[in-house]
Amino acid sequence: DVKVTQSSRYLVKRTGEKVFLECVQDMDHENMFWYRQDPGLGLRLIYFSYDVKMKEKGDIPEGYSVSREKKERFSLILESASTNQTSMYLCASSSPSGRGTDTQYFGPGTRLTVL
Amino acid sequence: GENVEQHPSTLSVQEGDSAVIKCTYSDSASNYFPWYKQELGKRPQLIIDIRSNVGEKKDQRIAVTLNKTAKHFSLHITETQPEDSAVYFCAASIGSTLGRLYFGRGTQLTVWP
Repeated sequence: DVKVTQSSRYLVKRTGEKVFLECVQDMDHENMFWYRQDPGLGLRLIYFSYDVKMKEKGDIPEGYSVSREKKERFSLILESASTNQTSMYLCASSSPSGRGTDTQYFGPGTRLTVL
Repeated sequence: GENVEQHPSTLSVQEGDSAVIKCTYSDSASNYFPWYKQELGKRPQLIIDIRSNVGEKKDQRIAVTLNKTAKHFSLHITETQPEDSAVYFCAASIGSTLGRLYFGRGTQLTVWP
């Protein structure tokens, strides 16, 4: 069974703090993704990675960066947290089938509140 | 890039009735269309998917239909039950090996007993 874990379920930070959200998957998946989920806006892709040290911007990368030093771990970094980054953050991973029919497996999410 | 629109945003049905959620996509190169279900407080999980070479796929009470010409696809749930209450997301993929999915904004389905 695929397991995707995230470092925290709930996180409260102050404006201006540097925030690290970590995601780990145990299925040797090549692809990993970071989304934020807000009511009425669905799942918006922030960044994704298709290999170690490789990354691609999603639809809303501003204010975020990512790091993938090891295949199983994908970190989302908020360099200077702001209140408009208060959200639910979901990590996902998938293994490329070569046909683009890849199931994404999601982590449980991190509810981040920036005060 | 691809743009996926999903309707309705909320849907309420009586237990036993059918529910239909519709999505449209913009990129004719899209060839894979999964549906994810997210129960309250839980993570999204794949419930059914369809590829562009198939017009319909069924799995027990859920089915998905695809109209490539019109670029829309739909999720059909029959004999709804309270446990079907959740947010449903449609998505589309252009078949890239990078595995990126383009999600709709979601439909909150509520099934009343």
